[in-house]
Amino acid sequence: DAGITQSPRHKVTETGTPVTLRCHQTENHRYMYWYRQDPGHGLRLIHYSYGVKDTDKGEVSDGYSVSRSKTEDFLLTLESATSSQTSVYFCAISESGVNNEQFFGPGTRLTVL
Amino acid sequence: KQEVTQIPAALSVPEGENLVLNCSFTDSAIYNLQWFRQDPGKGLTSLLLIQSSQREQTSGRLNASLDKSSGRSTLYIAASQPGDSATYLCAVRRGNRDDKIIFGKGTRLHILP
Repeated sequence: DAGITQSPRHKVTETGTPVTLRCHQTENHRYMYWYRQDPGHGLRLIHYSYGVKDTDKGEVSDGYSVSRSKTEDFLLTLESATSSQTSVYFCAISESGVNNEQFFGPGTRLTVL
Repeated sequence: KQEVTQIPAALSVPEGENLVLNCSFTDSAIYNLQWFRQDPGKGLTSLLLIQSSQREQTSGRLNASLDKSSGRSTLYIAASQPGDSATYLCAVRRGNRDDKIIFGKGTRLHILP
């Protein structure tokens, strides 16, 4: 299994509070991604990073920000959590080049009350 | 806009049967296509990656094919087993420089013992 960890694995928070989710990789892959998975919507890209300090928006980026100060860490921040952000969040990594296979972390289940 | 569709959403087959899962996409200008499995409450596990120049990839009892011109991919599972029960997702990458990946909503497969 690719070395990807996510923390925390479960979190319950209240509306309006800031939340930060962490993704850590030991594979030295260049690309890192944050997805959310919801019933009826499938997996949707929130933000991705193509290098340290290089990030771009995905399909559902509103209400989320990201930072990547080191190759191995990619942080997802919910500035002011809302109930619509209750979801399962997955981090993924891939190496640049021809073989762009994506590997996923175990996920973080976030509940916003 | 690229759309990825997986039909049917759910499928039940008796153990031992061969089966085919379908994935279709609307824009044939893809870089590669990846098949994943997801067990309940878990992350995604990569099964097969097919580059746009390839027609098929095989891994054990799994064979994935790609027909870009018709916008279709299939995942063939031979001699199905109860352990194959999971949700299977396909994802297409639009280009090597545009690193966004679009997922289908998956087919939930149940192998009947």
